[in-house]
Amino acid sequence: ELKVEQNPLFLSMQEGKNYTIYCNYSTTSDRLYWYRQDPGKSLESLFVLLSNGAVKQEGRLMASLDTKARLSTLHITAAVHDLSATYFCAVGVRPSNSGYALNFGKGTSLLVTP
Amino acid sequence: SAVISQKPSRDICQRGTSLTIQCQVDSQVTMMFWYRQQPGQSLTLIATANQGSEATYESGFVIDKFPISRPNLTFSTLTVSNMSPEDSSIYLCSAGSAGGGIFGPGTRLTVL
Repeated sequence: ELKVEQNPLFLSMQEGKNYTIYCNYSTTSDRLYWYRQDPGKSLESLFVLLSNGAVKQEGRLMASLDTKARLSTLHITAAVHDLSATYFCAVGVRPSNSGYALNFGKGTSLLVTP
Repeated sequence: SAVISQKPSRDICQRGTSLTIQCQVDSQVTMMFWYRQQPGQSLTLIATANQGSEATYESGFVIDKFPISRPNLTFSTLTVSNMSPEDSSIYLCSAGSAGGGIFGPGTRLTVL
């Protein structure tokens, strides 16, 4: 059974600081997703990482993937309050020609304070 | 990328009743997925719905409790049957794409 572990589960950080969220998974997969969820909202896709060494950046967020270590990271640079949300990583399983079923981590609840 | 809509957005139901949730995608997709997010929890895959065949259920989910229809390439329904308070969750449908799984807005279900 594929296990996806995120840490930390809760993160309170000051504005302007940097931090990294880690996502470990237990079996081989060729794609990893990062999502953001605001309270009461659905999931917003942030990144899809498709290959070993993949790095993607959008604004203050940067995601990377090491398939050999089965590890993905989401790095936050100079945090701002608007980044406060829950962040999920998810590993794609059972590839089809029209999408992957996803196995989710427990999520990291991020609070950015002044 | 695809846009997914769901109905209803929320509902409050009595125990023992059933609710059918509809999911509409604005483009044709082979696979659709149904997830459950219990309060304060992560997402758990309920089943995969492939057009023209029976849905494939994950461990812990059965067809009698969560029957799924997939009549065409843009639409699916999930029924939550004989509901109990433990079924109170957000139910989300998702459609795959090469760029990543896209999620609908979710259906927030409360069972009294």
